[in-house]
Amino acid sequence: KAGVTQTPRYLIKTRGQQVTLSCSPISGHRSVSWYQQTPGQGLQFLFEYFSETQRNKGNFPGRFSGRQFSNSRSEMNVSTLELGDSALYLCASSPGTLPAYEQYFGPGTRLTVT
Amino acid sequence: QKEVEQNSGPLSVPEGAIASLNCTYSDRGSQSFFWYRQYSGKSPELIMFIYSNGDKEDGRFTAQLNKASQYVSLLIRDSQPSDSATYLCAPGGTGRRALTFGSGTRLQVQP
Repeated sequence: KAGVTQTPRYLIKTRGQQVTLSCSPISGHRSVSWYQQTPGQGLQFLFEYFSETQRNKGNFPGRFSGRQFSNSRSEMNVSTLELGDSALYLCASSPGTLPAYEQYFGPGTRLTVT
Repeated sequence: QKEVEQNSGPLSVPEGAIASLNCTYSDRGSQSFFWYRQYSGKSPELIMFIYSNGDKEDGRFTAQLNKASQYVSLLIRDSQPSDSATYLCAPGGTGRRALTFGSGTRLQVQP
């Protein structure tokens, strides 16, 4: 099976702009989670989608949003970018129906905000 | 107190030795525990998971879980330079809304 794919792999944006990141899960996986990874904060949970519904959400401001499509592909959007949003954004898919079990990560999108 | 505690390291071991990576967690409701390996500049890769108290072995890797002590560890036997990476511990399971990752332990295996 193909792994989790994320596009784009690298992105440079200016403060105040918005960005959309895309994730395609492993075939058959219906749960998709998004994480932000920074050197200072580590891996932090953003949100999780299952069958097109946001099932869980982390402690991030409303500027961070996402959605999931009927084919389980997911997008996340960050509006009004801030310098502190520079990070590696990781998408992970899960084969089960429960959120906090084995997850498989994509390669990530490296976002730089200038 | 952080929900997941790991020694940041670096933990340095010679090639061929046993590397022992430790993780403590605060949520007694955690039922499943996942170990991820992350090479520099790469994404985390799932290498082990354990659900029951005791040991679980997979090749050179052994995960050990002690729920009473809220402690999980990962042993890497016959460590190789290619094992040099950051190892992340993540408790999860039914009732939790997401995996919570520790900050990771950086392992360096010296040739």
